Amino acid sequence: GAGVSQSPSNKVTEKGKDVELRCDPISGHTALYWYRQSLGQGLEFLIYFQGNSAPDKSGLPSDRFSAERTGGSVSTLTIQRTQQEDSAVYLCASRPPGPNTGELFFGEGSRLTVL
Amino acid sequence: AQSVTQLGSHVSVSEGALVLLRCNYSSSVPPYLFWYVQYPNQGLQLLLKYTTGATLVKGINGFEAEFKKSETSFHLTKPSAHMSDAAEYFCAVSETGYALNFGKGTSLLVTP
Repeated sequence: GAGVSQSPSNKVTEKGKDVELRCDPISGHTALYWYRQSLGQGLEFLIYFQGNSAPDKSGLPSDRFSAERTGGSVSTLTIQRTQQEDSAVYLCASRPPGPNTGELFFGEGSRLTVL
Repeated sequence: AQSVTQLGSHVSVSEGALVLLRCNYSSSVPPYLFWYVQYPNQGLQLLLKYTTGATLVKGINGFEAEFKKSETSFHLTKPSAHMSDAAEYFCAVSETGYALNFGKGTSLLVTP
């Protein structure tokens, strides 16, 4: 597809379970970001991948959160032992290479509900 | 450190009225500044951005914003609101253009 694709679009899970959220960036985009959007909290930066460089994990809220990006393309965000406070919309964005203009292209998000 | 404050989590305007959404930023270096819009059940899309040069920036759908360094502001305006402008608006700042810090968002309601 032409845009950033995220799956699943909706995920309901029980507290304590692990979940995986997937992001397919726009083809050719070298940078990939994960943000978390909670009601009233805006967008919270989680992690950033740029090419083959070590990812910037400074926004991950706890060691239950991890992410990987395979082959410089698809990324998976994993949340282990989910808690109710993890309920949010998880947004993925990608950015093209070239002159740095800062524009991010966002997917529609994965809505996670932890019961 | 870079940060953004959006004044007003909810703004309501009448159709045809001026839209003004406020954004103030904090940055230790000349910033990159952005406004993104999020329509219901959609991802964010870029409205406009300021990197360098002209301080009045025009974006899509008739929106514009002015970078005022002395006021550390980047307010978003539109002369005449349309019903289709109802959405969530996010201001963002970046010191490098790589990592963007977003504000908490302002929900714009347009009434007939």
